[in-house]
Amino acid sequence: EVQLVESGGGLVQPGGSLRLSCAASGFTFSSYDMHWVRQATGKGLEWVSAIGTAGDTYYPGSVKGRFTISRENAKNSLYLQMNSLRAGDTAVYYCARGSSGDEHAFDIWGQGTMVTVSS
Amino acid sequence: QSVLTQPPSASGTPGQRVTISCSGSSSNIGSNTVNWYQQLPGTAPKLLIYSNNQRPSGVPDRFSGSKSGTSASLAISGLQSEDEADYYCAAWDDSLNGHVVFGGGTKLTVL
Repeated sequence: EVQLVESGGGLVQPGGSLRLSCAASGFTFSSYDMHWVRQATGKGLEWVSAIGTAGDTYYPGSVKGRFTISRENAKNSLYLQMNSLRAGDTAVYYCARGSSGDEHAFDIWGQGTMVTVSS
Repeated sequence: QSVLTQPPSASGTPGQRVTISCSGSSSNIGSNTVNWYQQLPGTAPKLLIYSNNQRPSGVPDRFSGSKSGTSASLAISGLQSEDEADYYCAAWDDSLNGHVVFGGGTKLTVL
């Protein structure tokens, strides 16, 4: 079964750091672009970062310089290192697989992990 | 304020056809493909339509997508109660070194 399972969420103080992980199974992880997408409670979806199969990375301005996406193909794992966290970063964070049919479509999603930034 | 504009809500009765619009600009929908996601309450989003009008395996043909210029639409025919969900459009945006942009989402209610 193709599956993505996130972990690492929790409560962190403003200015703190957190590292999210995403374990992939059921497909050749190294052959796919991977993404992080977040959703604040009751709000819409926001793309957070992407990493290509060659390790190239992409970020929106809202997290650039604070978040770092990485992957470890030998462990079928995706990571998101989040630094200088702010209250506005509070959300459920989903990892998602880039579709082979459209590189900017996300065809497999994890169940999400909750990140709360609060003092 | 989302880059792509969707109506916040839509509704229909079982069996009806409903459409959800998604408006963008030349840097996103105007020059890239559009994808649609369905998010049932309390669950992760699911890819519904990719590359403007393609359905992933397992998505019923009641769902269809189209694009014209800087706008796109999702149509749902033969509306069913289980279609009640939030729907999001998304596209790559070429501005600011490139990024994925989403619509604000449309909550579909089946009356």
